[in-house]
Amino acid sequence: DTGVSQNPRHKITKRGQNVTFRCDPISEHNRLYWYRQTLGQGPEFLTYFQNEAQLEKSRLLSDRFSAERPKGSFSTLEIQRTEQGDSAMYLCASSLGVQGLDYGYTFGSGTRLTVV
Amino acid sequence: DAKTTQPPSMDCAEGRAANLPCNHSTISGNEYVYWYRQIHSQGPQYIIHGLKNNETNEMASLIITEDRKSSTLILPHATLRDTAVYYCIVRGAYNTDKLIFGTGTRLQVFP
Repeated sequence: DTGVSQNPRHKITKRGQNVTFRCDPISEHNRLYWYRQTLGQGPEFLTYFQNEAQLEKSRLLSDRFSAERPKGSFSTLEIQRTEQGDSAMYLCASSLGVQGLDYGYTFGSGTRLTVV
Repeated sequence: DAKTTQPPSMDCAEGRAANLPCNHSTISGNEYVYWYRQIHSQGPQYIIHGLKNNETNEMASLIITEDRKSSTLILPHATLRDTAVYYCIVRGAYNTDKLIFGTGTRLQVFP
C-alpha cells in the first residue's frame, strides 16, 4: 500500500464546468476526509465518511459540491458549475477508527484546481 | 475543538534544535495535542501526539506543560528538509471530531 492516492494532481477548468476528483484511501482505513486549502491558509474541513456513510458536511460544502464513497472504498468529490473561488488544493485523508479511537490521519498529496 | 495559538514563523540553523511553541489554554481534560507538518506542495504529515506525558518518536519530541495549557514540539537536529509549516491541533481521540487546522508556524531551516 503506497498511502493515500489522489487524482488528478492538477486540474485546470473553465468557469461553469463540472470537475470530479478521486481519492483512494489506505485500504484498511474506514474513515475518509476531504479538505480544501487556499494559499497561506491551513486545510479547511469539507466532509467526512465512515465506510460508505457520509457523516458530516461543513457549511463550506455548498450545494454545488457533492461527495460519494460507494462501497466504502474510494471517494469522489464533484464540483458543479465551478467558480473562480473554487480554485484551491483539495486534500483527501484517511484514518483507521476502531471503537471510537482514531489513530491519526494520512493525507494524500492533493488535487490542485485552477478555475479560469 | 479548543483553539491553538502559534507564532506565524520561525527560523532555525541546520543541525540545531528547533523548538516550536503552541498555546492551548482552553484544552479539555480528554483532548490530545497533535502536531502535523506540511512541506510545500504536499499534504500534511502526522508527526506526533500526546495527552499529558512527554512523547518522543523518530521524528520529534513533544513536551506538554503540567497544566497542559501549552506544548513545544522539538526537532532535535533540524535539516533543510524540515522546512515546512507546522500545525498544532487539539482534538479528542475518542470521538469523530475532525482535525481543525489553524495557520500554523512556518519553520525555515537555513544552512
